[in-house]
Amino acid sequence: SQTIHQWPATLVQPVGSPLSLECTVEGTSNPNLYWYRQAAGRGLQLLFYSVGIGQISSEVPQNLSASRPQDRQFILSSKKLLLSDSGFYLCAWSGRTGKRNTEAFFGQGTRLTVV
Amino acid sequence: AQSVTQPDIHITVSEGASLELRCNYSYGATPYLFWYVQSPGQGLQLLLKYFSGDTLVQGIKGFEAEFKRSQSSFNLRKPSVHWSDAAEYFCAVGDRGDKLIFGTGTRLQVFP
Repeated sequence: SQTIHQWPATLVQPVGSPLSLECTVEGTSNPNLYWYRQAAGRGLQLLFYSVGIGQISSEVPQNLSASRPQDRQFILSSKKLLLSDSGFYLCAWSGRTGKRNTEAFFGQGTRLTVV
Repeated sequence: AQSVTQPDIHITVSEGASLELRCNYSYGATPYLFWYVQSPGQGLQLLLKYFSGDTLVQGIKGFEAEFKRSQSSFNLRKPSVHWSDAAEYFCAVGDRGDKLIFGTGTRLQVFP
């Protein structure tokens, strides 16, 4: 069966420090991968999605970047964190049926607090 | 552009009462539609999905949803709410490409 791992679960970082959040998927190949952010009291904002190794689409301009060095690994990074980067970050994967996505499966999330 | 609207930010119901959470979508073709539930501090869990076929979809935890193409809606229902159903609920649509677009969510509060 497929599983998704996301770490760390919580993180407190000072302003200006770098960030690296990692997400890995097991039990499937060539998944679509996603990073979402959920700010307090707000919905899910799609940050990045990837349909293959090295293929990253950015949804919103921001202080963050994403990379996919391996088929089932998705990394969210920042060189210098801002206070506004605080939030709950969720990684997800989905498969495909034909040309369409199947449902997405989510990791447990990372609570990032920038201080 | 594809979008999902959940018009109710917050809903409060009494335990045992019926529930309906609204979801409207904008999509040019036949959509793939999903409902997810999120408990505080957790990831999202899939409740149910619609790809094609029967427009009344059964999900986990006693939830169901009905796809109404004429109204561009995919409302979530449960006949009798339990206290453990208190959570945030998200509707989503599968994009023409490879994105899943989510609504802003509805927070459900259940009173005893």
